[in-house]
Amino acid sequence: ETGVTQTPRHLVMGMTNKKSLKCEQHLGHNAMYWYKQSAKKPLELMFVYSLEERVENNSVPSRFSPECPNSSHLFLHLHTLQPEDSALYLCASSQGPTKYGYTFGSGTRLTVV
Amino acid sequence: ILNVEQSPQSLHVQEGDSTNFTCSFPSSNFYALHWYRWETAKSPEALFVMTLNGDEKKKGRISATLNTKEGYSYLYIKGSQPEDSATYLCAFGSGNTGKLIFGQGTTLQVKP
Repeated sequence: ETGVTQTPRHLVMGMTNKKSLKCEQHLGHNAMYWYKQSAKKPLELMFVYSLEERVENNSVPSRFSPECPNSSHLFLHLHTLQPEDSALYLCASSQGPTKYGYTFGSGTRLTVV
Repeated sequence: ILNVEQSPQSLHVQEGDSTNFTCSFPSSNFYALHWYRWETAKSPEALFVMTLNGDEKKKGRISATLNTKEGYSYLYIKGSQPEDSATYLCAFGSGNTGKLIFGQGTTLQVKP
């Protein structure tokens, strides 16, 4: 365990479903991130939250909706996804600026059918 | 568009060989350069965070150097072991925003 916990580990959902991914950290970090990794592509930044405020939304489609209720929890709400959204979704946390390393969760492997 | 390039894409070496990978990044607006190690079915694990031109960092048999003026970093592994088999990611931090841009990674396979 790295200190960042993601659930579920695996998720299969239909295109009309609504589901949520959850990320939790108790490292005292004040920034949390969602990254997406599609096959043979680099990790792609989706959202950045700093002190519970969204500071980055990297042109992500509105079918992905993040929520950060407090500094320890981060959610990614999914609805009406497409098969091309199938990927590994990684959550990370850090102390904020990029001079601090990220701590990653184990990821959620999402398959959209 | 910020581009981070890593080479080679993959590498197969024998146990005991030393090896090195390259990460190229924009030389402007540099704030930090990260290296991560990502083993299959595990989380990416931070190896180094470097912020100063000329920085050299070492952790056991793994070391890294940084040249911010020309925009590259090298990761060296001395005497590779099978347990070093993983994907090594570098990431460029642009400004003090908490935004890291990752390269595609170098996948290392060390054969016993």
